[in-house]
Amino acid sequence: KAGVTQTPRYLIKTRGQQVTLSCSPISGHRSVSWYQQTPGQGLQFLFEYFSETQRNKGNFPGRFSGRQFSNSRSEMNVSTLELGDSALYLCASSLVNPIYSTSTDTQYFGPGTRLTVL
Amino acid sequence: KNQVEQSPQSLIILEGKNCTLQCNYTVSPFSNLRWYKQDTGRGPVSLTIMTFSENTKSNGRYTATLDADTKQSSLHITASQLSDSASYICVVSRYVGTASKLTFGTGTRLQVTL
Repeated sequence: KAGVTQTPRYLIKTRGQQVTLSCSPISGHRSVSWYQQTPGQGLQFLFEYFSETQRNKGNFPGRFSGRQFSNSRSEMNVSTLELGDSALYLCASSLVNPIYSTSTDTQYFGPGTRLTVL
Repeated sequence: KNQVEQSPQSLIILEGKNCTLQCNYTVSPFSNLRWYKQDTGRGPVSLTIMTFSENTKSNGRYTATLDADTKQSSLHITASQLSDSASYICVVSRYVGTASKLTFGTGTRLQVTL
């Protein structure tokens, strides 16, 4: 079974531009989460989608948005890029419906998209 | 404030030796605690997941312990190998209404040398 795939793997943008990242979950997984990872802050949760609906959201500005399609593939968009948005963006998929808060379902991470903002 | 603190920040050990990584948390109400291994340039891979009622869980040479009373967890690596060189991240999940929220530690960077 193929793992979580993310495209592109590397991206260079300039301040003020916008960017769209894509994530394809493991086949059969309907939950997709997005994370930002930086050396200083570590992993930070962006948002989670299940069945095309955002179920959970982290503390990021409105410039960060996402969506999920009927085939569970997900995209995240960052508008008006800032230098501080340079990071590794990770996508993770799981079987669980996030409303079941006691779930210990394993999340499977993709390799990430390395975004550099100049 | 919900926080997860890991120690040490970094660690260098000789191949074959054992080591223990620490995770202290103040997350409440507690749902579960996960340990992830992240190789350089790769996404994290789940090692163990423990709920409140579990105090130890193993995955091969990796053994995680949880003390929910003191809010501490440890990850013990036995007979380390070069391939264990990675960052190890502790993640604690808490209840927020009908959803769960994850709080991440900043990780311990382990280097195993010859």
